[in-house]
Amino acid sequence: EIVMTQSPATLSVSPGERATLSCRASQSVSMNLAWYQQKPGQAPRLLIYDASTRATGMPARFSGSGSGTEFTLTISSLQSEDFAVYYCQHYNNWPPFSFGQGTKLEIK
Amino acid sequence: EVQLVESGGGLVQPGGSLRLSCAASGFAVSISYMNWVRQAPGKGLEWVSVIYPGAYTYYADSVKGRFTVSRDDSENTLYLQMKSLRSDDTAVYYCARAFEAARRLNAFDIWGQGTMVTVSS
Repeated sequence: EIVMTQSPATLSVSPGERATLSCRASQSVSMNLAWYQQKPGQAPRLLIYDASTRATGMPARFSGSGSGTEFTLTISSLQSEDFAVYYCQHYNNWPPFSFGQGTKLEIK
Repeated sequence: EVQLVESGGGLVQPGGSLRLSCAASGFAVSISYMNWVRQAPGKGLEWVSVIYPGAYTYYADSVKGRFTVSRDDSENTLYLQMKSLRSDDTAVYYCARAFEAARRLNAFDIWGQGTMVTVSS
């Protein structure tokens, strides 16, 4: 089973600044990596798939990078609506399609 | 409109059973990769199960042998039959579609609103 590890657990950033979130896979997942955003009381929402492709309707300030075992989600200029919990997930080859434990992005 | 609507959650005693439903609209579950994902209170997301278009099924180790995923193509509905429930199965259960790209499962692009399952005496 592939284990996904996100860091940091909590990230405090001021509005307008850049946020960088990390995700590491215990073995290579190629580029089969997605990022989701979840706000309190809501279902997760797909942000990025294939490590760097923005999902339909996602703002350009969200970008993803990486391949293999190291991945990054960058939010270039934080807006108030971006403060949420972010999860990475792999979908490489076979299940289980495990998620990282999440990074909470909070207002500094 | 493309959407998923879960139902069937509730309070159940340890050792009991429950069946969750996920009604799809705007696309066919029969040709989709349909998943169940759960989230315990205050915790992260946990992938639970998937059913492939060819009806192959897979499960997380934590639910293997206790949960069964199925679908009714005529009703366009996904199900999760849960038995031998334990307190650590308490969670919001989401159904989610993984879209297909290059004839393979990709990311989860459509999610339901979730249904709460509480296992307690």
